[in-house]
Amino acid sequence: QKEVEQNSGPLSVPEGAIASLNCTYSDRGSQSFFWYRQYSGKSPELIMFIYSNGDKEDGRFTAQLNKASQYVSLLIRDSQPSDSATYLCAVNNFGNEKLTFGTGTRLTIIP
Amino acid sequence: GAVVSQHPSRVICKSGTSVKIECRSLDFQATTMFWYRQFPKQSLMLMATSNEGSKATYEQGVEKDKFLINHASLTLSTLTVTSAHPEDSSFYICSARVAGFENTQYFGPGTRLTVL
Repeated sequence: QKEVEQNSGPLSVPEGAIASLNCTYSDRGSQSFFWYRQYSGKSPELIMFIYSNGDKEDGRFTAQLNKASQYVSLLIRDSQPSDSATYLCAVNNFGNEKLTFGTGTRLTIIP
Repeated sequence: GAVVSQHPSRVICKSGTSVKIECRSLDFQATTMFWYRQFPKQSLMLMATSNEGSKATYEQGVEKDKFLINHASLTLSTLTVTSAHPEDSSFYICSARVAGFENTQYFGPGTRLTVL
């Protein structure tokens, strides 16, 4: 079982709709969770992080964390073509500086 | 957010030469930096963790004598690919960790290495 799992996609969403990206993790000791966006040929860019159960909103993005179920999700409201990218979920475990990355979900917003 | 730069952004070299890549944290001090490699259409692969003032910690399977890492200051880490070969051609990306329990990492823009 992979430590951090994401559906590789591609996930196609119409422009203006809500895109929902999911991530599950195996280590219950995980303490902080990150979403990065990576455009083709570019490096990852931090969208947001979350460490408490519940929702965290930043503009059109909402991260949701459920530690009991060991999943974290990212919702993108009013999806735009510029949101088309690969979204990486990353998890940090207590006492470890490293992040464990999922393989990413490729999102395509259809105009 | 914190800014991390990398230089050069792109390098083409002949087989057998060495290439140095610099990673700088521009507006914060980073005691820890990370070096990743990413092949086309594949996920990020952590190569090593670079700590200021100490030896880097390499991931399993990464040759420490081939990928030399130096983290001489709180804002600069370098990766030297020694005796590069075509199979070393890849996208090399550094990140810097911002102090805090979240362990947030900010990535540099990456260096695309092509070895002929």
